Amino acid sequence: SQQGEEDPQALSIQEGENATMNCSYKTSINNLQWYRQNSGRGLVHLILIRSNEREKHSGRLRVTLDTSKKSSSLLITASRAADTASYFCATDHAGGTSYGKLTFGQGTILTVHP
Amino acid sequence: GAGVSQSPSNKVTEKGKDVELRCDPISGHTALYWYRQSLGQGLEFLIYFQGNSAPDKSGLPSDRFSAERTGGSVSTLTIQRTQQEDSAVYLCASSFPRRRPGTSGGRSYNEQFFGPGTRLTVL
Repeated sequence: SQQGEEDPQALSIQEGENATMNCSYKTSINNLQWYRQNSGRGLVHLILIRSNEREKHSGRLRVTLDTSKKSSSLLITASRAADTASYFCATDHAGGTSYGKLTFGQGTILTVHP
Repeated sequence: GAGVSQSPSNKVTEKGKDVELRCDPISGHTALYWYRQSLGQGLEFLIYFQGNSAPDKSGLPSDRFSAERTGGSVSTLTIQRTQQEDSAVYLCASSFPRRRPGTSGGRSYNEQFFGPGTRLTVL
């Protein structure tokens, strides 16, 4: 079954505003990662948060993780038109047999208007 | 340094033909993953390689799909007798898994580096 579910499916904001995307998952994880994808091609790793971490920052990105609720959020502050892309969360299952295997959500399409 | 490369970038084929997709991972990355992404969808895991062996093939959708990796480097994904539903972007990723400090056989914390993908269209 799908591990990561994201919402919203699409988000449209103005430049300068903050964008928040959410991800929920079903089973325990070792870590959760966020990726960005432009134009349906290769993904770029943004940030990784471990199961024992609650918050992590990287530049204009802030990720939170609530393992009790099995959810994570990605906040992009002071958005720019160049942030327009699809954003995916991916989970590394706990107790799985695969080494580093990730399960991806359906993604959030973010559009930032200049 | 060079990233993950994939070839061809686009492939159009006729139903029933076989296709081979190639992935060149980052040098030194022992783990290699194949994913498939249909239009507007998330990524679907296909197969994982550690070195030349594939401990997890659970995502391969049918026996028409196979993959191999030689020399712990280049991997090819082969789709035999292609069907229209095979049309998708096929993405390859590589990583160098790290073990969690202080544990034996502990879980890895790794980011995956993706190639640009191969867009396959089956007519």
